[in-house]
Amino acid sequence: QQQVKQSPQSLIVQKGGISIINCAYENTAFDYFPWYQQFPGKGPALLIAIRPDVSEKKEGRFTISFNKSAKQFSLHIMDSQPGDSATYFCAASKDNAGNMLTFGGGTRLMVKP
Amino acid sequence: NAGVTQTPKFQVLKTGQSMTLQCAQDMNHEYMSWYRQDPGMGLRLIHYSVGAGITDQGEVPNGYNVSRSTTEDFPLRLLSAAPSQTSVYFCASSSSYLGQKNTEAFFGQGTRLTVV
Repeated sequence: QQQVKQSPQSLIVQKGGISIINCAYENTAFDYFPWYQQFPGKGPALLIAIRPDVSEKKEGRFTISFNKSAKQFSLHIMDSQPGDSATYFCAASKDNAGNMLTFGGGTRLMVKP
Repeated sequence: NAGVTQTPKFQVLKTGQSMTLQCAQDMNHEYMSWYRQDPGMGLRLIHYSVGAGITDQGEVPNGYNVSRSTTEDFPLRLLSAAPSQTSVYFCASSSSYLGQKNTEAFFGQGTRLTVV
């Protein structure tokens, strides 16, 4: 059973639009929630991360919204650009750090010019 | 500073063959992990290590062995390859959580393994 569920599997957005990817988790022991970005042929790279003591974190055009009671978190990409086209993974861990991550299934984002 | 280096980048094996995927990091990280990536399933943890001489199983450990004799290296061994092990393998390293300091996991470029 997948402990972190991610949707949608694929997403097409026009340049300048907002991309939204959602994740839901089951294990309440998770205490660290990163998002990773992966380009073809490359390894995942950390994009932004949040811990459950805050409900939102923003870094540039990327924002994580976190709802602890609903056990859900989402990534918002504002003013989406073609260069944002990649696969995005949400993840979670229980040690308040980036170790032993449980990943969602991934979302392939395409931003059309 | 190379980060996390994986070799080889590509490999084709016949069923029953053995091989070792190499992983090295130069960031003096305590934690190292191996993941496999399959379509629609994200990355799944195979084995991990919290320091030299210490390893443990992750979500999908069957068919894989690991050892950690040094801080820098964390090889993954397939003793008898099976077609179900066809996947892309990623090694990652990270440091221990220290207060609010960055505990990002750094990933290698991956090894694409095909078992025929």
